[in-house]
Amino acid sequence: DVKVTQSSRYLVKRTGEKVFLECVQDMDHENMFWYRQDPGLGLRLIYFSYDVKMKEKGDIPEGYSVSREKKERFSLILESASTNQTSMYLCASSLSTGRYEQYFGPGTRLTVT
Amino acid sequence: QKEVEQNSGPLSVPEGAIASLNCTYSDRGSQSFFWYRQYSGKSPELIMSIYSNGDKEDGRFTAQLNKASQYVSLLIRDSQPSDSATYLCAVNIRRGSTLGRLYFGRGTQLTVWP
Repeated sequence: DVKVTQSSRYLVKRTGEKVFLECVQDMDHENMFWYRQDPGLGLRLIYFSYDVKMKEKGDIPEGYSVSREKKERFSLILESASTNQTSMYLCASSLSTGRYEQYFGPGTRLTVT
Repeated sequence: QKEVEQNSGPLSVPEGAIASLNCTYSDRGSQSFFWYRQYSGKSPELIMSIYSNGDKEDGRFTAQLNKASQYVSLLIRDSQPSDSATYLCAVNIRRGSTLGRLYFGRGTQLTVWP
């Protein structure tokens, strides 16, 4: 079974703090994705990566950065957390060939106060 | 026009009924189509995938794809209260370097009442 894990299930941070969200997958997937999900807005893609050290912006990259130093790990960084970044953050991974089905981690519910 | 659109619902059906969830997509070149189920407070879980026109059945779930009409649907037969969740439609829309990206609809909330 595909397994995607995220470092924290719940996280509370203060405005202005630097926040790191970690995602690890164990299925040797090339593609990894970071989304945020808010009521009424659905899933929105923040960043994705097709390979180690490679990244591409999604639809809402402002205020975020990412790092992928190893194939299995994809990190999302909030350089200076703001209250409008309070959300559910979801990581997903998929193969680079075939049908592209994505598998999600359990999510991190981040609250910025 | 959004890449993927779903009936926002909510959809409410009695236990034992057939629930029908619908999705349309914008890109005729799309090749891969998925349905995810998401329980409240949980992450999306892949439940069905379909790649060619017609029906695909898996237990109580049937996915239907009509590429000419750019339409994909999910039928849930003999609906159970445990099927109550939000269902997300996702489509692989091929655009240059975004190969591998999925576009998601906003989801349809389904409630199955006993």
